[in-house]
Amino acid sequence: SQKIEQNSEALNIQEGKTATLTCNYTNYSPAYLQWYRQDPGRGPVFLLLIRENEKEKRKERLKVTFDTTLKQSLFHITASQPADSATYLCALLNGGSQGNLIFGKGTKLSVKP
Amino acid sequence: DAGVIQSPRHEVTEMGQEVTLRCKPISGHNSLFWYRQTMMRGLELLIYFNNNVPIDDSGMPEDRFSAKMPNASFSTLKIQPSEPRDSAVYFCASRSVAGGSYNEQFFGPGTRLTVL
Repeated sequence: SQKIEQNSEALNIQEGKTATLTCNYTNYSPAYLQWYRQDPGRGPVFLLLIRENEKEKRKERLKVTFDTTLKQSLFHITASQPADSATYLCALLNGGSQGNLIFGKGTKLSVKP
Repeated sequence: DAGVIQSPRHEVTEMGQEVTLRCKPISGHNSLFWYRQTMMRGLELLIYFNNNVPIDDSGMPEDRFSAKMPNASFSTLKIQPSEPRDSAVYFCASRSVAGGSYNEQFFGPGTRLTVL
């Protein structure tokens, strides 16, 4: 059956370090993958999209990689700040061009000053 | 733009009562999604619409759940009768179909439902 797993429920790091979050999937061949940020009491907010033919995507301090052979995406936050503390969700396209997203359960990141 | 609007923000009801959640998508968006989020199961898709037409309702847990989208600017999710296990945060999201499903989804603030 199809499955999306984010490596851990929680990740604690020190301010200034690089946070690395993992998203693994099985029995999918997604055309793309998206990452969202969710703060407590709020809905998820889109951060980045990476397509199957892209190895890496960057946006300011964020970097996402996509390895379709390993069926894995890595999400990096460099020079992390306490304001980066949130839950980060990966999501895969399910279906064709009018399809929907399947979300992982998320990783809660805490950046300590 | 006000973003996706959901009401109510909080709902507390007793088992057996009917619950109606409401959503107004972003103007010009023609895909609308209803999700349920719990600690145990994460964010689960219940149903989604393209151009007001339900495309996939396989995530609707059972017949007690129903969703409608009578026009491009309004959708409802109804639970009748409600049960304690329905307690969760329900999110509505919308997306512009221009450019296909690559576009991001915009989420509303959610409705926190508690069924006693």
